[in-house]
Amino acid sequence: AQTVTQSQPEMSVQEAETVTLSCTYDTSESNYYLFWYKQPPSRQMILVIRQEAYKQQNATENRFSVNFQKAAKSFSLKISDSQLGDTAMYFCAFMNSFNNDMRFGAGTRLTVKP
Amino acid sequence: KAGVTQTPRYLIKTRGQQVTLSCSPISGHRSVSWYQQTPGQGLQFLFEYFSETQRNKGNFPGRFSGRQFSNSRSEMNVSTLELGDSALYLCASSLGRDQYFGPGTRLLVL
Repeated sequence: AQTVTQSQPEMSVQEAETVTLSCTYDTSESNYYLFWYKQPPSRQMILVIRQEAYKQQNATENRFSVNFQKAAKSFSLKISDSQLGDTAMYFCAFMNSFNNDMRFGAGTRLTVKP
Repeated sequence: KAGVTQTPRYLIKTRGQQVTLSCSPISGHRSVSWYQQTPGQGLQFLFEYFSETQRNKGNFPGRFSGRQFSNSRSEMNVSTLELGDSALYLCASSLGRDQYFGPGTRLLVL
């Protein structure tokens, strides 16, 4: 079974600085998808970024980028120029290639301080 | 496009009762997945429906069931409620691999 581990329960960062959230996963599959979701205090989950395992290039979305290390089964999220609105729970998630069953990590609570 | 909507947003039930939650996906999305979120267990996959058929199911007891209608709207039902069923229930719709979540239904079982 696939498992997703986020080893940092809480993190904080100063506004405008850069922060990296860690995620590791375990799978025997060679093709799969990885996601980062954000859940602000309002509770609505928002898709931040997606990475396909078959792509070597790291995904980027504006201030958000990932460092995908397939051999190490590592998938970290880097947030540049942190903003107060980035304060949220961040979940790393894994989805295999043959169904839409998404497995989530326990989450990292990120606080951006002014 | 309108986002995923879930009704009701809040619900209070007592043990032994049953409950039905509703989810309307983004227009054009045919897949609807349901998740349970609790402080202790985190986010857990319940099931996924696609074109009115359950395509995938998580590790939950048979008290948890669902269905999908021809317009892709989905309902999930929990029978014989237990205190441990208190949770935020999230549904997500998708066209491809990206899942878009609704605001959730917070269920409290007393």
